[in-house]
Amino acid sequence: GESVGLHLPTLSVQEGDNSIINCAYSNSASDYFIWYKQESGKGPQFIIDIRSNMDKRQGQRVTVLLNKTVKHLSLQIAATQPGDSAVYFCAERNEGAQKLVFGQGTRLTINP
Amino acid sequence: DGGITQSPKYLFRKEGQNVTLSCEQNLNHDAMYWYRQDPGQGLRLIYYSQIVNDFQKGDIAEGYSVSREKKESFPLTVTSAQKNPTAFYLCASRRQGPYGYTFGSGTRLTVV
Repeated sequence: GESVGLHLPTLSVQEGDNSIINCAYSNSASDYFIWYKQESGKGPQFIIDIRSNMDKRQGQRVTVLLNKTVKHLSLQIAATQPGDSAVYFCAERNEGAQKLVFGQGTRLTINP
Repeated sequence: DGGITQSPKYLFRKEGQNVTLSCEQNLNHDAMYWYRQDPGQGLRLIYYSQIVNDFQKGDIAEGYSVSREKKESFPLTVTSAQKNPTAFYLCASRRQGPYGYTFGSGTRLTVV
């Protein structure tokens, strides 16, 4: 079946460095992608989203890149802070579908 | 402020008991979802509902039941048939179209 997967289950970066979290998807019909951040014991929080007619979208310290040719999604976090430590999930929506397909998640650890 | 509320935050269940987890939203979202999350794992879909009085099974519906009598409410019952119910349960809602979920803060269920 269709799935959204992450290349790396864990990622450690030094505080202040930039981090990149990757995500592969397999459904070329997906028209919407979203990144969530989940801190321990809490529900996932929206970070940033992107529609399939875009290649890049920027938020505050975060950028999402979409490469439809290779079905790849990435989340870039600039100047990481201790508060960025969390699990990050990507998700896709197949056009017309009523639910999102989630990736497994990447645990990001920021080292002081 | 609009949002989605799950209660209780912590719930303990004895063997053989049914328990009901509450999920309420005031976002006027049509769709609502229940996910289960085990430690260090991703999100697995239990049930979802697109409209009142209608719902569909997700990937792991066995041992669970839901109702959708009101647009705002989507309670989940964990029945005694669910043999391994200890987990973190997340409720989410979404409006129609290419949009993401809004998640609740979760309920941690423990069997004692």
